[in-house]
Parts: sequence; structure tokens; C-alpha cells
Amino acid sequence: AQTVTQSQPEMSVQEAETVTLSCTYDTSENNYYLFWYKQPPSRQMILVIRQEAYKQQNATENRFSVNFQKAAKSFSLKISDSQLGDTAMYFCAFMNKRGSQGNLIFGKGTKLSVKP
Amino acid sequence: ETGVTQSPTHLIKTRGQQVTLRCSSQSGHNTVSWYQQALGQGPQFIFQYYREEENGRGNFPPRFSGLQFPNYSSELNVNALELDDSALYLCASSATGLNTEAFFGQGTRLTVV
Repeated sequence: AQTVTQSQPEMSVQEAETVTLSCTYDTSENNYYLFWYKQPPSRQMILVIRQEAYKQQNATENRFSVNFQKAAKSFSLKISDSQLGDTAMYFCAFMNKRGSQGNLIFGKGTKLSVKP
Repeated sequence: ETGVTQSPTHLIKTRGQQVTLRCSSQSGHNTVSWYQQALGQGPQFIFQYYREEENGRGNFPPRFSGLQFPNYSSELNVNALELDDSALYLCASSATGLNTEAFFGQGTRLTVV
């Protein structure tokens, strides 16, 4: 069975600074997707960034980038130039490529606070 | 805002009662997944519906059941409610194909007393 571990329950960062959220996962599969989702107080899960395991190049979306280390089963999220609107819960998630599109396995989340 | 809507947004039920939660999927999406998010936890996969058929199920007892309708909207039914069923229930819709994104609704907060 796949598992996703986020070892940082809470983190804080000053506005405009850079922060990195950690995620490790365990799987015996070779083809899969990894995701970072943001959940603000509005409760709606919003996709931040997605990485396909067979792609060696790290995904980037504007201020958000990942460091994907497949051999180490590590998938960290870097947020550059942090903004107050980045304050939210962040969840790392795994999906087996052979499985259903919606069958995401989530970590327990990291609560990020961006301070002015 | 995604095109996924859930109703109701909040509700309170008594232990032993039954509840039905509803989800309208985004236009063009034929797959709906349901998740349970307990306080302070990540979402846990309950089940998925694809073209009106159950298409995968997580580790939840049979008293959690669902339906998907021809317009691809979906219901989650929970019978014999227990206190531990108190959680945020999230619905996500997606289109078939491995390169598509799951869009989440804002969830239904269920409190069982």
C-alpha cells in the first residue's frame, strides 16, 4: 500500500521569503503522479503543482516549484516570494498511474502561515 | 472557484441517523470521487463513481454508499451514523484520461452528536 508522510505539521515564513515543505512517500509502483494541494480556510482543495514520476525535470508553476527525488521517494514544495494569500494547509498527494484519476492518497498536511 | 458544488455546506445529525450528501460535478466531467477529511487530517478516499458505476473503494464500511446519476452528479449516503463520522466530506470531479485534474468542491461539514 502507498503511504504519504509530511513531517512538518506547521511552518511559518515571512512575506517575500522562501519556504520549503517536505513530503516523502512509499510505493512499489514505478508510474505515478505526485501532487501538492492547497486548502485555504474556505476548505476547497486547489491543485498547486503536479509531477509525473517518469519525468525527470522538476515541475514549476510560477512561484511554486518541486524537488522530486524519485530514488529517495521525496517530493518537496518550494514557495518563492511568499505572499499572505499563501497561508493555508498544504497537502502532498500520490496517485497510482494505473488507478482511477480521483484515487488520491494524501499526507496529513502542513499548516503554512505567512507573516507580514 | 471550480464548477463543483456540494450541498449542504453544514449539517448536524444525531447518532444512528442517516444522511445524504450531494455533489454536482463540473461540466464535461464523468467521474466523481468522495473523500472524508477528519479534523487535522488529510482526506481519505471513500469511493469513486464513473459513468454511474462504482469504480474503486477505500477502506470504508458498507454503510457508506453512493450513487451517480446520468448527469454525473453524485450522492454519498451514510447509514447508522457514528460520532466518528463527523468530518468534512469532499467531492472531486474529473474527466477520463490520465492527464486531467481533479476539481474539488468546498465540502460538507457533517457533525454527528
